[in-house]
This record gives sequence, C-alpha cells and structure tokens, in this order.
Amino acid sequence: GQQLNQSPQSMFIQEGEDVSMNCTSSSIFNTWLWYKQDPGEGPVLLIALYKAGELTSNGRLTAQFGITRKDSFLNISASIPSDVGIYFCAVISGTYKYIFGTGTRLKVLA
Amino acid sequence: NAGVTQTPKFQVLKTGQSMTLQCAQDMNHEYMSWYRQDPGMGLRLIHYSVGAGITDQGEVPNGYNVSRSTTEDFPLRLLSAAPSQTSVYFCASKREQGRYNSPLHFGNGTRLTVT
Repeated sequence: GQQLNQSPQSMFIQEGEDVSMNCTSSSIFNTWLWYKQDPGEGPVLLIALYKAGELTSNGRLTAQFGITRKDSFLNISASIPSDVGIYFCAVISGTYKYIFGTGTRLKVLA
Repeated sequence: NAGVTQTPKFQVLKTGQSMTLQCAQDMNHEYMSWYRQDPGMGLRLIHYSVGAGITDQGEVPNGYNVSRSTTEDFPLRLLSAAPSQTSVYFCASKREQGRYNSPLHFGNGTRLTVT
C-alpha cells in the first residue's frame, strides 16, 4: 500500500532548541496534515496544508507543503517540555482514506 | 462538548473471545473510522463509514466487522480475538465540508490485549 516515510523516527533535544522533521511519499497528494499525539491520548491536528508550496504557522509551529506535492516538513521553534510526544504526518488518499506516517517521537530535555 | 468517546479504555481478552469496541460522536459528523496503532507502524485504517448504512474497508480489515446504524455510533466488532489484534484502537470522525477536507477528530483510544 501507499506509505509515508517520516524522519527522524525519534529525537532528543534540549529545551529551547529548534526541531525539524519531514515526511515524504512516492505519490502525489493534495492535502498534507500534521498531528501530535500526547501519551495516552488520541492524535490532535496541528496544521493542515491544502496548496503546494504553502507555508503555514501555528504559534511556534511552521509547516510547508512541498512544491512537488510529495513531501512536507514541520518545524518547531524554541522547544519546551510540553512539546514531547509523537508527531504524525498524514495525507488524504482519494476522498475518505487517511494515510499516516510512522511518527517522529520527540523528547525534550529540560 | 464530548467530541469522540471510546469505551472501554482498556480490555483484556482471551484468544477466541468476541467483543465490541464502542465509539460515539456528538458532532453530527458524517464520516467515522477506526484505526489501530502498533509500535513503529503508525496508524492503520481498519474500516470507515461515510454515513449511516454505509461502510467500507480500509487497509487492515481482516478480523474486524463494523456497522453504522446511526450517525452517532460506529462500533467495531472482533468476532474471534487473536493475539495479533493486541493494539491500541482509535476511533475518528470528521465533517464533510465543501472544497477542503475537514480534519479528523480522534477519541482517546482503547488499549486491547489478547492473551
């Protein structure tokens, strides 16, 4: 089936550092999404991208929809301890099927 | 607002037992879906529904049944549990809206262990 390759798989960073993670696909998708999952909870939408080349911010988070429509990246600036969790990229295949990446597990060291 | 509610939060089954994972949403969302989350594999779609009376298979449907008799509820049934079905299960819903796809809203998950 279709796959999203997300990297890195995990990362430890110091509080205050900037974080960057990305997601790539071999297929073209017209909607890219970034979700965050806190321990013991379901994923929550952070940013939605609907247009190739689009750069969107949500507080300290910035995400871009790649111009080729096959990739996206998420940046977190000045990380804080509550940024810990798993970050998933996702795309929409057809109208109804969401495909999720395998996740980037972020741990922030105070 | 309750959003998407999943019950139970935890469940332990013996191989061969059956059970139903419940999912309810109070947002009048047309679309509902079930995912399973396994270490290193992200979230994989099991079944989904675009409205009452309509269901379809996702990526990993084998061993699971669903039905959608009302807009609010979308139960997931395991007819004969197997250890391979040990996982965390998430229900998610969304509203259909115009030009852009609206985001999925997730429940807090059911952690199922099959021994």
